Amino acid sequence: GENVEQHPSTLSVQEGDSAVIKCTYSDSASNYFPWYKQELGKGPQLIIDIRSNVGEKKDQRIAVTLNKTAKHFSLHITETQPEDSAVYFCAASANDYKLSFGAGTTVTVRA
Amino acid sequence: NAGVMQNPRHLVRRRGQEARLRCSPMKGHSHVYWYRQLPEEGLKFMVYLQKENIIDESGMPKERFSAEFPKEGPSILRIQQVVRGDSAAYFCASSPRDGVYEQYFGPGTRLTVT
Repeated sequence: GENVEQHPSTLSVQEGDSAVIKCTYSDSASNYFPWYKQELGKGPQLIIDIRSNVGEKKDQRIAVTLNKTAKHFSLHITETQPEDSAVYFCAASANDYKLSFGAGTTVTVRA
Repeated sequence: NAGVMQNPRHLVRRRGQEARLRCSPMKGHSHVYWYRQLPEEGLKFMVYLQKENIIDESGMPKERFSAEFPKEGPSILRIQQVVRGDSAAYFCASSPRDGVYEQYFGPGTRLTVT
């Protein structure tokens, strides 16, 4: 089955700096890569996703890049704000519905 | 448009009891997924259901766990004879009929087995 690895497990950044989280996946058939943000005590919230026919997607301060050859994808958050503090999960899917998640990255934005 | 609803939010059961978790998908969504999250870990896929059909239950433990999504009413995840290792957060997600890629998650049910 699909195996998704996520790094780093924790990330502390100064407010206004950028944060980058990286994920690798094992199944070359994977074609859908969403990112979720989970705040304490809440469910994961879809923040951005990318499909395998594009290499980069941007939504305001958030961007995701995909390298299918190397089987890795990354989340970039620019101009970080305190409200960006949360746990971020990457995921991959090869069959339209079964998401395989990474272990998560705890992001702390220092004011 | 209300999001995915799950209840109860917190559930405490003694070993050997049954746990019943409910999930109401977003309006217009007919695909439901259940995931389990252990402390400090990512979510693990359990089961994918459409109305009255189990599509993929490859992530469900073979014993004690079952899921349904009836024609009327919420989806139910049932855990019989709970053990301490069942303690986790259980999340339900739903996606629309015409595209199953985007999954929207509920707030989860945190099950504690004492």
